[in-house]
Amino acid sequence: GENVEQHPSTLSVQEGDSAVIKCTYSDSASNYFPWYKQELGKRPQLIIDIRSNVGEKKDQRIAVTLNKTAKHFSLHITETQPEDSAVYFCAAGFQGAQKLVFGQGTRLTINP
Amino acid sequence: DAGITQSPRHKVTETGTPVTLRCHQTENHRYMYWYRQDPGHGLRLIHYSYGVKDTDKGEVSDGYSVSRSKTEDFLLTLESATSSQTSVYFCAISEGGVSYGYTFGSGTRLTVV
Repeated sequence: GENVEQHPSTLSVQEGDSAVIKCTYSDSASNYFPWYKQELGKRPQLIIDIRSNVGEKKDQRIAVTLNKTAKHFSLHITETQPEDSAVYFCAAGFQGAQKLVFGQGTRLTINP
Repeated sequence: DAGITQSPRHKVTETGTPVTLRCHQTENHRYMYWYRQDPGHGLRLIHYSYGVKDTDKGEVSDGYSVSRSKTEDFLLTLESATSSQTSVYFCAISEGGVSYGYTFGSGTRLTVV
């Protein structure tokens, strides 16, 4: 079955700098890769996703890149702000499948 | 809020007792999921449902059972709670499976003493 590895487990950056979180997956059939953000004590919420027919997707300060050959995808946050502090989860699955497999999570801290 | 509610929000129970967690949705979504969240392990799938009375196991299903007798409710039962089942449990719903994305409930914090 699918296995998703996420790195780093913790990340601390200065406000205004960029943050990058990386994930690798094992199943070459996977073609849907969402990212979820979980603020302290809250539920995970979808922030961006990418499908295998594109290599990059942007939404304001957030971008996700996908390298299908290497089976890895990354979340990029630019101009970080204090409200970006949270735990971020990547996940992988394939369209038509019934479940997602999640990475272990990255705790991002933005230092003022 | 988000069309999905979990109950209870917090529970403390004793080792060996049965426990049932409830997930209720008002979105009429076909898919429902139970995940547990533990530090260092992310979100791990326990069981999921793809329709009324249609369920399947996830990667950490031992010691858990589920039931879905109607579209809106998905119950997770710990047959005989153990300390290793202390965790935060999240229910999620999806309209059409993986590529439609998940909406998560607010979670249930379960402590087994």
